Amino acid sequence: AQTVTQSQPEMSVQEAETVTLSCTYDTSESDYYLFWYKQPPSRQMILVIRQEAYKQQNATENRFSVNFQKAAKSFSLKISDSQLGDAAMYFCAYSSNSGYALNFGKGTSLLVTP
Amino acid sequence: GAVVSQHPSWVICKSGTSVKIECRSLDFQATTMFWYRQFPKQSLMLMATSNEGSKATYEQGVEKDKFLINHASLTLSTLTVTSAHPEDSSFYICSALGTSRTDTQYFGPGTRLTVL
Repeated sequence: AQTVTQSQPEMSVQEAETVTLSCTYDTSESDYYLFWYKQPPSRQMILVIRQEAYKQQNATENRFSVNFQKAAKSFSLKISDSQLGDAAMYFCAYSSNSGYALNFGKGTSLLVTP
Repeated sequence: GAVVSQHPSWVICKSGTSVKIECRSLDFQATTMFWYRQFPKQSLMLMATSNEGSKATYEQGVEKDKFLINHASLTLSTLTVTSAHPEDSSFYICSALGTSRTDTQYFGPGTRLTVL
C-alpha cells in the first residue's frame, strides 16, 4: 500500500512571507496523481493543487506551487505571499490512478501570523 | 461547478439507533463516490468506494453490515450507520468523481455524528 508522510505537524509563517510544506510518499507505481488539499476550520476539503506523475513540469496555481521530485518521491507545497486566509490544515494525498480513492498524509497545521 | 452536498451537517442520535447520511453531486453526475471518516485532529481515512448501481467496496476493518452504503443514482450516495454506538461518533466526509473528469475528487462539507 502507498504511504504518504507529512513530517511537519505544525508550521508557522508571517503574513506576506513564503512557506514550504513537505510531503514524501512511497509507491512502486510509475503513473499516479498527487494532491494538496486545504481543510480550514469549517472542515470543507478544498483542492489546492494537483500534479500528474507523468508530467515533469511542476504545477502552479496562483500563489501555490509544488516541487515534484519523482525520483526522490517528494512533493512539497510552496505558498508565496502568505495570507491570513491560508491558515488551515493542509493534507498531501496520493491517488494510484484516475478514479481511485485518495490516500492522505497526517496533515500539517499552518498558522499565519500578522 | 462541481458542488457536493451532504445532509445532515450535524446529527445527534441515541446509542442503538440508525442514522442515514446523504451525499449529493449537485451539478454533475458521479459514477463513483467515496466515504471517508475523520477523527478529531486526524487525517481522513477511506471507508468505502461506492459505484453507481453496484455494491460498495469496503476497506479492510470497516464493517459492511454496520456501515451500509447505497449508490442508487448518478447523483446520490447514502451512508447508513446501523445500531450506532458512541465509538461511531466521528466526522464523515463524502467525495465524488465526475463522469467526464475522473482525476479529481470533489468533497462534501461533511457530517458530524455524535452518538450518545
